[in-house]
Amino acid sequence: NAGVMQNPRHLVRRRGQEARLRCSPMKGHSHVYWYRQLPEEGLKFMVYLQKENIIDESGMPKERFSAEFPKEGPSILRIQQVVRGDSAAYFCASSPRSGRTGQPQHFGDGTRLSIL
Amino acid sequence: GNSVTQMEGPVTLSEEAFLTINCTYTATGYPSLFWYVQYPGEGLQLLLKATKADDKGSNKGFEATYRKETTSFHLEKGSVQVSDSAVYFCAPRLNTGFQKLVFGTGTRLLVSP
Repeated sequence: NAGVMQNPRHLVRRRGQEARLRCSPMKGHSHVYWYRQLPEEGLKFMVYLQKENIIDESGMPKERFSAEFPKEGPSILRIQQVVRGDSAAYFCASSPRSGRTGQPQHFGDGTRLSIL
Repeated sequence: GNSVTQMEGPVTLSEEAFLTINCTYTATGYPSLFWYVQYPGEGLQLLLKATKADDKGSNKGFEATYRKETTSFHLEKGSVQVSDSAVYFCAPRLNTGFQKLVFGTGTRLLVSP
């Protein structure tokens, strides 16, 4: 399966711990997007990255959240000192380098983060 | 900024009924339009898309037409199946700038036998 791979599928953390969510884009894709879905809500954009660059982080909370997409390896969404309100499903999507008109984003199955 | 309004769910239908899920959007520029479907416990799957005015996207019996004059992209299916039960998301995407998708709250569809 050459789709977008996210891991872990489920992650449980206690308040104050750190959460690391990983995303490997589809082969040949160099654009990665992270979205958050709260229970019974739609997806909200968080951050858009290309290899080694953050392009748009306008949806990312200013504190505790960070994202990276290194030259080698998966994209990482990192949440420090997690709180109950961080409980959500986090989805990663990728698209090809060309980004031409109508090019869809392909989504992974998400990481469901639960904070105890 | 960009925004999407979808009809509230849940939409409850019997098998073989006709489906319409309304979607209107506001966007600066000229977006591409997408419908995604989310089955329970899964990520989003692309259902169909349209990239310019009057384009009709279609897949698996679902259709939606890009209506620039009404800024709408309503989803339709002539005869729904139980397996169509899912949450449907309408999402415009600008073709310039940062190209992020803007999602509505989604519409849950429940189809009973």
